[in-house]
Amino acid sequence: DTGVSQDPRHKITKRGQNVTFRCDPISEHNRLYWYRQTLGQGPEFLTYFQNEAQLEKSRLLSDRFSAERPKGSFSTLEIQRTEQGDSAMYLCASSFSGRPQQYFGPGTRLTVT
Amino acid sequence: QKEVEQNSGPLSVPEGAIASLNCTYSDRGSQSFFWYRQYSGKSPELIMFIYSNGDKEDGRFTAQLNKASQYVSLLIRDSQPSDSATYLCAVNGETGANNLFFGTGTRLTVIP
Repeated sequence: DTGVSQDPRHKITKRGQNVTFRCDPISEHNRLYWYRQTLGQGPEFLTYFQNEAQLEKSRLLSDRFSAERPKGSFSTLEIQRTEQGDSAMYLCASSFSGRPQQYFGPGTRLTVT
Repeated sequence: QKEVEQNSGPLSVPEGAIASLNCTYSDRGSQSFFWYRQYSGKSPELIMFIYSNGDKEDGRFTAQLNKASQYVSLLIRDSQPSDSATYLCAVNGETGANNLFFGTGTRLTVIP
C-alpha cells in the first residue's frame, strides 16, 4: 500500500509566475484534500474532491488558485500570478469515503521570491 | 469557523516520563478528533483518532475525549527522544463533514 505522493517536493518561483503541483492519493481512496501550512501554524483546508467532483472550497482559496481531479485519481493544484504570501507547504491528503481518517502526502514546499 | 486551541508549549519532558498534550475545540457538533505528529520539515502523520467519550489506547499513546467539556488530550507514556515533534490536534464536523480544522500544534521535546 503506497502512500500519498506529491510532486514536486520543492518549488522556487518568481513572483508573478504560475505553478502547478500534483498529488497522487492512496489508490483506493476516493476523497482528496488540499491544505496549506505556514510556519508555526496548523494546516488550513483549501479544497476537497470526492472522485472527480470538487465539492468544497475554502474562502481562503482566492481566484488565483484552481484545482482539478479530472479522472478521479490524481489531482493538480495551480496557482496563477504567485505572490510572496503564497509561500507555504502545500499538503495533499486522501481518505476513503465513510472513514474520517485522512493521510497526508509529503507536501510541496513553495517559495516565491 | 471552528476553533481548535492547543497549549502552545513548548513542552519538555525527561525520557521515560508521561507527556500530556491538551486540546479544546469550539464546535459542539464536532464528531471526530485526531492527533497528528509532525517532525520538523515533514508532513503530518496520523497517530490516533477518537470519536467516543472516554479513552482509546494504542501502544504508548492514549487519546482521551470529553465532549461535555469539549476537550481532547493525548498522553504519551514512556516518552522517547524519537517522540520529539510537534503534535497537531484536529477536528472535523458533523458526520460526513470533510475537512479538518487544526490547532497550531504543541512542540514536544523529550530530553534523554
